[in-house]
Amino acid sequence: SQTIHQWPATLVQPVGSPLSLECTVEGTSNPNLYWYRQAAGRGLQLLFYSVGIGQISSEVPQNLSASRPQDRQFILSSKKLLLSDSGFYLCAWSRGLAGAADTQYFGPGTRLTVL
Amino acid sequence: SQELEQSPQSLIVQEGKNLTINCTSSKTLYGLYWYKQKYGEGLIFLMMLQKGGEEKSHEKITAKLDEKKQQSSLHITASQPSHAGIYLCGAATMYSGGGADGLTFGKGTHLIIQP
Repeated sequence: SQTIHQWPATLVQPVGSPLSLECTVEGTSNPNLYWYRQAAGRGLQLLFYSVGIGQISSEVPQNLSASRPQDRQFILSSKKLLLSDSGFYLCAWSRGLAGAADTQYFGPGTRLTVL
Repeated sequence: SQELEQSPQSLIVQEGKNLTINCTSSKTLYGLYWYKQKYGEGLIFLMMLQKGGEEKSHEKITAKLDEKKQQSSLHITASQPSHAGIYLCGAATMYSGGGADGLTFGKGTHLIIQP
């Protein structure tokens, strides 16, 4: 069976500090990978998605970046955090099926607080 | 872009009662996903609907997609404390291209079950 892990679970960082959040998937190969952010009152917002190693697409311009150094590893980074980066970050994976029936499965999330 | 509106925003129901949550799209839905989220945790996949008029059930939860594929409802029968949480609907875009486009989500419905 497939499992998805996110690390760390919670993080408190000062404004201007760097960020690195990690997501790993087990039990599948060549998954599509996604980063979402859930902020209070704003719902769930897609940030990045990746269909393969080194292939990243950005949905929202911001000071965050994503990388996929390995098939089942997805990293979310920032060089300098802003207060507005606070939120709950969720990683998801899917099998990459054609059409609409490509269910996304979510990880446990990382709670980021920027002070 | 596609927008999803969920109603109600919050719902308090006495244990044992039935309830319905609605999800309305501004455009035709090509894939509609229902997820449940416990506070501070990741999303758990419930059901996916694709065809107009489709209905799926899992235990005491039934989801329907209307014939015009612009509205979905989630119905819980004989609610239990374990049903408490946030229910989110997510929509696939017209062309998912292997699911890589990500999902657009509603803002969620907060469900509280009173004993």
